[in-house]
Amino acid sequence: DTAVSQTPKYLVTQMGNDKSIKCEQNLGHDTMYWYKQDSKKFLKIMFSYNNKELIINETVPNRFSPKSPDKAHLNLHINSLELGDSAVYFCASSPGTSGYNEQFFGPGTRLTVL
Amino acid sequence: AQSVAQPEDQVNVAEGNPLTVKCTYSVSGNPYLFWYVQYPNRGLQFLLKYITGDNLVKGSYGFEAEFNKSQTSFHLKKPSALVSDSALYFCAVRDSSGAGSYQLTFGKGTKLSVIP
Repeated sequence: DTAVSQTPKYLVTQMGNDKSIKCEQNLGHDTMYWYKQDSKKFLKIMFSYNNKELIINETVPNRFSPKSPDKAHLNLHINSLELGDSAVYFCASSPGTSGYNEQFFGPGTRLTVL
Repeated sequence: AQSVAQPEDQVNVAEGNPLTVKCTYSVSGNPYLFWYVQYPNRGLQFLLKYITGDNLVKGSYGFEAEFNKSQTSFHLKKPSALVSDSALYFCAVRDSSGAGSYQLTFGKGTKLSVIP
């Protein structure tokens, strides 16, 4: 059973398009995250939701909008895609917001903007 | 603000030899420290963590890490490296006081190559 799943695995699109990445976790966790990993493998938090409420919103362009329909899902919608959005996007989840809980990561979505 | 440094971009070690991947951190309170591993084209996998208590923490796949408060370090170690340990390793920290935010701060990663 896949604990944290993401779709699609690969996404190739043109500049200016709008795209979405979906994430689902079957671990019963309350908290979910989106991370961006750039070409140098640097990993940076973008958003975090706890029980469907936004708790972390780092300095991310407002073209990026997370949506959590329920606590098992956290989707990422990106408007007006730019070349610099090309990266691998990881979804993760944890049992709560307590800092001592490890996070469980999805397999990633490689976004390429042409 | 919290931060973590992994001073080595790459570590090469011969199979069967001990390995160390270095990590130092900075927090205003007490740290929660984590090690994650990323295999090519995969997500990050949790290896081990230090929350409190014994400074030597044991984790998955025979890895361990030692928390050193005076040196603000949390180096990852393994007594005998395997070729299959070759991967990208990330250290992460969060201030236990919750100062600033809820998120983990990750280091830039260290690529470990185990040579047969």
